[in-house]
Amino acid sequence: DAKTTQPPSMDCAEGRAANLPCNHSTISGNEYVYWYRQIHSQGPQYIIHGLKNNETNEMASLIITEDRKSSTLILPHATLRDTAVYYCIVRVGGGKLIFGQGTTLQVKP
Amino acid sequence: EAQVTQNPRYLITVTGKKLTVTCSQNMNHEYMSWYRQDPGLGLRQIYYSMNVEVTDKGDVPEGYKVSRKEKRNFPLILESPSPNQTSLYFCASTSILGTEAFFGQGTRLTVV
Repeated sequence: DAKTTQPPSMDCAEGRAANLPCNHSTISGNEYVYWYRQIHSQGPQYIIHGLKNNETNEMASLIITEDRKSSTLILPHATLRDTAVYYCIVRVGGGKLIFGQGTTLQVKP
Repeated sequence: EAQVTQNPRYLITVTGKKLTVTCSQNMNHEYMSWYRQDPGLGLRQIYYSMNVEVTDKGDVPEGYKVSRKEKRNFPLILESPSPNQTSLYFCASTSILGTEAFFGQGTRLTVV
């Protein structure tokens, strides 16, 4: 599985969009980009995933660059409850998740 | 409701006293795994199971055992706990071809 690089921390104002970047320059053609988040010490929660195309669901949008070497998770209107550690993971399919250190997002009033 | 249930949520025990942390999922998932989370080290996989009676070591298996006698259950066994196993533990499940992994609420274990 390819390695990912994320900034250790970010701040965002409540109600504004939060844009969380992830670099995965060694991603291979059959690896998906996944995003999970962990609020405080709860179990990680799936957010979204994608292969090549941009994806959107009720929680977030995922923008993947054309060369697939980086991606951005977008929370369109961040709330205080979105304060969490966000993990970007690349993998082929079901099974093992390799977690990095993630990005701690602090949403401020 | 799809869920992964771990018990207990909190446990304080003494060195050497065998314990079991239970994990159960109601989604008929084939793949289940255990992770531990430690400050500065992130989440690391302990053991995983691809299906009933099929288990294998993850990245940090020393000191742990698992079993998969039924599809829904995947208990984590510490035969002789030591203080370095003090950690936050998570059970997870996913279908083999699936995308979303479901995690339990976590078990905070302290070994004194």
